[in-house]
Amino acid sequence: SQQGEEDPQALSIQEGENATMNCSYKTSINNLQWYRQNSGRGLVHLILIRSNEREKHSGRLRVTLDTSKKSSSLLITASRAADTASYFCATDRSFGNEKLTFGTGTRLTIIP
Amino acid sequence: DVKVTQSSRYLVKRTGEKVFLECVQDMDHENMFWYRQDPGLGLRLIYFSYDVKMKEKGDIPEGYSVSREKKERFSLILESASTNQTSMYLCASSPGGTVQETQYFGPGTRLLVL
Repeated sequence: SQQGEEDPQALSIQEGENATMNCSYKTSINNLQWYRQNSGRGLVHLILIRSNEREKHSGRLRVTLDTSKKSSSLLITASRAADTASYFCATDRSFGNEKLTFGTGTRLTIIP
Repeated sequence: DVKVTQSSRYLVKRTGEKVFLECVQDMDHENMFWYRQDPGLGLRLIYFSYDVKMKEKGDIPEGYSVSREKKERFSLILESASTNQTSMYLCASSPGGTVQETQYFGPGTRLLVL
């Protein structure tokens, strides 16, 4: 089963609005990462948050991590048409040298 | 900037053919990965390599093999292609240390097996 699962599966908002997507996971982690994928392309790393961090910012991106709830959220503020993409969270497991596990993604559409 | 390149963007093969997908990274990364991506299933790890000539199975290695003879190059081999291997294949690399670090992805190869 997936370690990380995003919610919602799809999201459509007007340009300029904020977009929030969530990721839930099952086991303890070291890090949680968010990636973006434009249609038909490879994934691009956006941000990494460590298990001892609660919030992290990068430009218009804000990521929160709640390890007690095993969940993370990605907020994109002042959305732009170019933000239209799929967004994936990726988690590891805190025991051993485990690989990343990617969720199934949230498809974000920004309406101009 | 890290660059990960894949040999083909689109590939059409026939059932039973042997298929080679090549991936090259230019940043001296230790780790390299092959994923396949299917609608509704997300990314699933096929194989990864943490050093030259070293490989480990991922979640779905059946029907695939890999080769890493040089640090910068990681090949995915479909020994006898089948229609259920029609998919998007993504290669990635990461610097080293652990396999939990940020991964850098290639543009993907969309493979159609007829």
